[in-house]
Amino acid sequence: GAGVSQSPRYKVAKRGQDVALRCDPISGHVSLFWYQQALGQGPEFLTYFQNEAQLDKSGLPSDRFFAERPEGSVSTLKIQRTQQEDSAVYLCASILSTRGMTDTQYFGPGTRLTVL
Amino acid sequence: GQNIDQPTEMTATEGAIVQINCTYQTSGFNGLFWYQQHAGEAPTFLSYNVLDGLEEKGRFSSFLSRSKGYSYLLLKELQMKDSASYLCATSGGSYIPTFGRGTSLIVHP
Repeated sequence: GAGVSQSPRYKVAKRGQDVALRCDPISGHVSLFWYQQALGQGPEFLTYFQNEAQLDKSGLPSDRFFAERPEGSVSTLKIQRTQQEDSAVYLCASILSTRGMTDTQYFGPGTRLTVL
Repeated sequence: GQNIDQPTEMTATEGAIVQINCTYQTSGFNGLFWYQQHAGEAPTFLSYNVLDGLEEKGRFSSFLSRSKGYSYLLLKELQMKDSASYLCATSGGSYIPTFGRGTSLIVHP
């Protein structure tokens, strides 16, 4: 596609439910990032993939959060046993090269997760 | 570590000029990004500064002083559609960008 896409755009979950958020990066983009953005805050880094390798997961807030990118393109962020504090917009971004953050990140529209 | 500070909110008049400041303390600083984010939408790239000085792109300019840990985004000839959040982000030794909280700019007629 022309840009980064994410699905679903909106997700409402009951506390304790598991959710899976999908990111389709721009075709051919090597690097993929997940961010969490709370209301009124800037995006907070969660994890980073280079192709299928998860090179940095230092931002994942707990072991309930898990991300994968098995074939080096589509990525899934899974949150188990959701809690109210997980309510946020989850943004995915991709970069063409492996040069890291000196290249422009292209963001998807985000998934707004609301945990009741 | 990473520490980025920018004002929470600013207001300006249509047609005016506004300067949004950002100060940072970033280990192994590489460069500084500015993004624009409209409510409910994804951030979109505006600029990336590596060297000291001013870079101009149409109505938007971005300035960096590495020695002072300071940047600003200058918006000229403000339009109503410029009402958005402006995010300052730095890239450091880890190459993972760290974002500030964003500055909400409100442009009024």
